[in-house]
Amino acid sequence: AQTVTQSQPEMSVQEAETVTLSCTYDTSESDYYLFWYKQPPSRQMILVIRQEAYKQQNATENRFSVNFQKAAKSFSLKISDSQLGDAAMYFCAYRSPTAYGGSQGNLIFGKGTKLSVKP
Amino acid sequence: GAGVSQSPSNKVTEKGKDVELRCDPISGHTALYWYRQSLGQGLEFLIYFQGNSAPDKSGLPSDRFSAERTGGSVSTLTIQRTQQEDSAVYLCASSLSGRAGYNEQFFGPGTRLTVL
Repeated sequence: AQTVTQSQPEMSVQEAETVTLSCTYDTSESDYYLFWYKQPPSRQMILVIRQEAYKQQNATENRFSVNFQKAAKSFSLKISDSQLGDAAMYFCAYRSPTAYGGSQGNLIFGKGTKLSVKP
Repeated sequence: GAGVSQSPSNKVTEKGKDVELRCDPISGHTALYWYRQSLGQGLEFLIYFQGNSAPDKSGLPSDRFSAERTGGSVSTLTIQRTQQEDSAVYLCASSLSGRAGYNEQFFGPGTRLTVL
């Protein structure tokens, strides 16, 4: 079974600086998808960025980028120029490629990292 | 268009009572998921609906939990004889199709259930 581990329960960053959130996962599959979701106090989960395992190029979305190391099974999130609105819980998630063949198609989440942004 | 909506936003109930939680997915989304987020835990998968196929119930923690999806749209998660350990935030998500792993799952705001 696949597992996702986020080893940093809490992180703090100064406004305008850069922070990196760690995520490792375990799987025997060669193809899969990885996601970072943000959950502010409103509880609404918002997709931040996603990565397809067969793509070597790291995904980037504006100030958010990932460092995807497939061999090391590592998927870290870098937030540049941190803003007060970035303060939230961040969840790393794994998904199998399809929902056929017994795959549930659901996301498998880590336990999250709480990010604080200091003004 | 409208996002995923859930009701009620908060629910307080007494131990032993039954509760129903509702999810309205985004129109046109064939896949619907229920997750549970307990304090200090990550999100755990409960159940998955894909179109008219039989749901994947493999994540349901006990037979007190059940869910249905009527007309391929609205879903109701029912918890019978609630226990204190059922207290959690219940999140619903939908996506265009569950058969494409890349598809984004859009989440609702969740229902916070408190069992006294």
